[in-house]
Amino acid sequence: DGGITQSPKYLFRKEGQNVTLSCEQNLNHDAMYWYRQDPGQGLRLIYYSQIVNDFQKGDIAEGYSVSREKKESFPLTVTSAQKNPTAFYLCASSALAGASWTGELFFGEGSRLTVL
Amino acid sequence: AQTVTQSQPEMSVQEAETVTLSCTYDTSESDYYLFWYKQPPSRQMILVIRQEAYKQQNATENRFSVNFQKAAKSFSLKISDSQLGDAAMYFCAYRSEPDMRFGAGTRLTVKP
Repeated sequence: DGGITQSPKYLFRKEGQNVTLSCEQNLNHDAMYWYRQDPGQGLRLIYYSQIVNDFQKGDIAEGYSVSREKKESFPLTVTSAQKNPTAFYLCASSALAGASWTGELFFGEGSRLTVL
Repeated sequence: AQTVTQSQPEMSVQEAETVTLSCTYDTSESDYYLFWYKQPPSRQMILVIRQEAYKQQNATENRFSVNFQKAAKSFSLKISDSQLGDAAMYFCAYRSEPDMRFGAGTRLTVKP
């Protein structure tokens, strides 16, 4: 089955530690995204990538870093510089705009990060 | 930057009744897509319905339909014959390359 896999589903971190959230897709999508979800604020864009070895900052990139070494993978690192990292993180992917583009984002099941 | 506003943090509907969720957006573009996503307690984001801005006809998917008013920049979701499984967070979203913008969400409760 094609889809997006995020891991781990739950993660606990001590203050001052970096953590990396994994996101893998087998949908052959060029574009991948990371969103942060907090109660009452919807989804906010952290980073996105439309091609391997290239990525762009979203609205709340401070304290986060990403890499895109393979088309299928787009890991997110939450660094110690992120002041309030406790949140639910969603990875998504989509095809690039073209003749049959639907614009839809396909989402993983999310990762819940808690800072102790 | 495009913004999406959902003015109803919470809504409630009786089972088998109809409910409408509101969404407005702000954009200067003419070509874009609008979406409603559902997020049940499992937190998996599920596409409910999609509307292309260049289409005047309102999209419909079974019990779900939209009222798309392009000039007013309004995109409401109507759920007919509400079922217990419809209880979830609903997010309105605006898509124009390269990313997608979301509203804050509306929590829908369905009463048996």
